[in-house]
Parts: sequence; C-alpha cells; structure tokens
Amino acid sequence: GENVEQHPSTLSVQEGDSAVIKCTYSDSASNYFPWYKQELGKRPQLIIDIRSNVGEKKDQRIAVTLNKTAKHFSLHITETQPEDSAVYFCAASSTQGGSEKLVFGKGTKLTVNP
Amino acid sequence: KAGVTQTPRYLIKTRGQQVTLSCSPISGHRSVSWYQQTPGQGLQFLFEYFSETQRNKGNFPGRFSGRQFSNSRSEMNVSTLELGDSALYLCASSWWTGLNTEAFFGQGTRLTVV
Repeated sequence: GENVEQHPSTLSVQEGDSAVIKCTYSDSASNYFPWYKQELGKRPQLIIDIRSNVGEKKDQRIAVTLNKTAKHFSLHITETQPEDSAVYFCAASSTQGGSEKLVFGKGTKLTVNP
Repeated sequence: KAGVTQTPRYLIKTRGQQVTLSCSPISGHRSVSWYQQTPGQGLQFLFEYFSETQRNKGNFPGRFSGRQFSNSRSEMNVSTLELGDSALYLCASSWWTGLNTEAFFGQGTRLTVV
C-alpha cells in the first residue's frame, strides 16, 4: 500500500525566513497531494494541494512542488510569520478504485520565532 | 454553510467497553472518511463511506467498524476497547467528483480509554 515519509519532524525558523518541508510517496498511482495545517487543539485544514499533472502551484507565501519521477513533493513557506507555527501534514491519494483515502505523513512541527 | 460536526467532543471509557462516535458531514458531501490521530502515528486512515457503502478500509482490526446513513451522516463503533485505542478520532467529508477534492475535517472526538 501507499506509504508517505515526511521530513523534518520538527523545524524552527526565525520570522521572515523560509521553511521547506519534504515528503516522498511510494505508490506511483498517487495523483493528488494535499497539505494540511493543524494548529494546537484545532482541526486539520487544507492550505494547498497539487495534482500529478502540475509541477508547481503557488498561493501567496505558500508553494508546493511535485517531482513525479522521484516521487517527492515539497511545501515552501516564504516570509514566515509567528502565525505559521503549527503542525503541517502532507498526504497522498489515488483515484484508482474511486476512493477519497488519504495517506498522511507523520507531520512536521513548525515553530516560527519572533 | 455548516462545517463537519462530530459528537461527542470528549469521551472517557473503560477497557472492554464499546463506543459509538458520530459525524455529520457538510451538506451535499457524500463521502465521509474516518482517521485516528495519535502523537506517535500521526493520522491513520480507518475507512471511507460513500452513498452508504464502505469504499475503502485501512489496516485496523475488526473491532473498528462504521456505517453511513442515507443522509450521509456516519458513525464509527469501536468494540472491546483497549488502552491503545485512546486517540483523537477525526472524520472528514468531501464532495466526490471522480477526482479527489478537499477533505474538510471535523473537530474530532477525543477518546480516552482507562
């Protein structure tokens, strides 16, 4: 079955710096890659997603890149702010079999120091 | 538009008991998935229901079961509770179009088994 590895598990940056989180997946049939942000005590919320027919997607300070050949995708946050502090999860999914199953990485705890 | 609602928010149960958790999806969403979140394992997929049918199932023992009703509301049941079942149980709903779409999470039910 699908396996998603996420690194690093913790990341500490200074306000204004960039943060990069990397994930690798194992199932070549995966074609949807969302990123979720979970603040302490709150529900995971989608921040950006990318499909396998796209190599890069950007939304303001957040960008995601996908390398299908290497089976890895990354989240880039620029000009980090203290409110970016949270746990970030990457996930992979395939439409084969017609299912919404998401396989998540174990998460990255991002701390942005003022 | 109301979000995904999970009840109850907190539960304390004794080993050996059973428990039922409820999830009301966003209106119009027919796909409901359940995830177990623990500090060590992250978010792990339990199962997904679509139009009252289980479409996919994760690697959990048969003590974990679920169902979906005609109004898309879903319940999950855990029988013969074990200490290791203590976790945050999250449900997510989505608008299935044949392509994976954003999964909206509920606030979760925090289950503690003593």
